[in-house]
Amino acid sequence: DAGVTQSPTHLIKTRGQHVTLRCSPISGHKSVSWYQQVLGQGPQFIFQYYEKEERGRGNFPDRFSARQFPNYSSELNVNALLLGDSALYLCASSLEVLQNYEQYFGPGTRLTVT
Amino acid sequence: AQKVTQAQTEISVVEKEDVTLDCVYETRDTTYYLFWYKQPPSGELVFLIRRNSFDEQNEISGRYSWNFQKSTSSFNFTITASQVVDSAVYFCALDLKAAGNKLTFGGGTRVLVKP
Repeated sequence: DAGVTQSPTHLIKTRGQHVTLRCSPISGHKSVSWYQQVLGQGPQFIFQYYEKEERGRGNFPDRFSARQFPNYSSELNVNALLLGDSALYLCASSLEVLQNYEQYFGPGTRLTVT
Repeated sequence: AQKVTQAQTEISVVEKEDVTLDCVYETRDTTYYLFWYKQPPSGELVFLIRRNSFDEQNEISGRYSWNFQKSTSSFNFTITASQVVDSAVYFCALDLKAAGNKLTFGGGTRVLVKP
């Protein structure tokens, strides 16, 4: 079975632009979470979606938004990009949330803001 | 708020040596889950283990073993007879039962295994 896939792999954007990152979970997984990993640090939780509903949001500004589609894939949107948004964005999927099952991570999208 | 601390930022060992990675967590919740992930140079986080707060049994999987001690809020990870392929950054993470799939990660420990 395919693992979690993310696109694009790399992205270079200019300050003030908008970006959309995409994630496809493992087949059968209904929960998708997004994390931001700045170089040299541990990942930080951004959003969690389950059954197409937002169930959690981390300490990120409103410039960050996300959604989950009926096929459980997900998009992360970031508006008005800042230099500090440069990071590896990781998507993770899990069977469901009630049992806190392990999350499986995709390869990430490396975003560079210049 | 919950917190995970990995005090060791980098550990360097020679192949075949054992290496232990420390993880200390903080939470007021009584039901939670602890995880270890490996992040090789390729960047993708690889799941290693999940443990719930009511199960303090130590676990061994091949050369990997985990020691969970609730009394000291620690969940340490030992690699026995390390190999070059073990070189990676290892993260400890905490997920509250009430939260569900919202991991709080530690800062990570970089392990470098020299041949």
